[in-house]
Amino acid sequence: DVKVTQSSRYLVKRTGEKVFLECVQDMDHENMFWYRQDPGLGLRLIYFSYDVKMKEKGDIPEGYSVSREKKERFSLILESASTNQTSMYLCASSSGGLAGSQETQYFGPGTRLLVL
Amino acid sequence: DQQVKQNSPSLSVQEGRISILNCDYTNSMFDYFLWYKKYPAEGPTFLISISSIKDKNEDGRFTVFLNKSAKHLSLHIVPSQPGDSAVYFCAASARWEAGSYQLTFGKGTKLSVIP
Repeated sequence: DVKVTQSSRYLVKRTGEKVFLECVQDMDHENMFWYRQDPGLGLRLIYFSYDVKMKEKGDIPEGYSVSREKKERFSLILESASTNQTSMYLCASSSGGLAGSQETQYFGPGTRLLVL
Repeated sequence: DQQVKQNSPSLSVQEGRISILNCDYTNSMFDYFLWYKKYPAEGPTFLISISSIKDKNEDGRFTVFLNKSAKHLSLHIVPSQPGDSAVYFCAASARWEAGSYQLTFGKGTKLSVIP
């Protein structure tokens, strides 16, 4: 069974604080992803990584950065948190490869972040 | 521009009946399609998928149908159970330039199964 864990389920931060969200997967997956989910907007991709130390911008990267120093760990950083970053943050991983089932992404439980 | 659309934000179905969730896409490069189920305060759970070379895939009570010419897929749940009440996301996959894949998600449909 694929397991994706996220460091916190709930987080409350103040505007301007630097926020770190950690994600760990235990299936030796190549690809890791960070999304945010907001009501009525579905899941939107923030950043993803297809290899250690590699990162690519998703659809909404502004205000975020990421770090992938080890294959199993992918961190999302909010450099200076703002109230519009209050959201549910979801990490996912996929095995990578040519096609088919390798494309399936497996999600962590999510971190609900509130920025005051 | 929304490439994956779930036009029904919500759906209510009686227990025991069939639930049909619909999804439309615009990008002809999508070659793999997935459905995820999400309960409140939890991450999405993979439910079922279908490759573009097939038109149907079945797993227990869940069946996904793909109509490539119409760029339309649907998820059928039969019989529906109260535990199926959740938000369902349709997702489509396309190869990204470095060879890996990204998923594009619809906005979700909230299914309520009434006992």
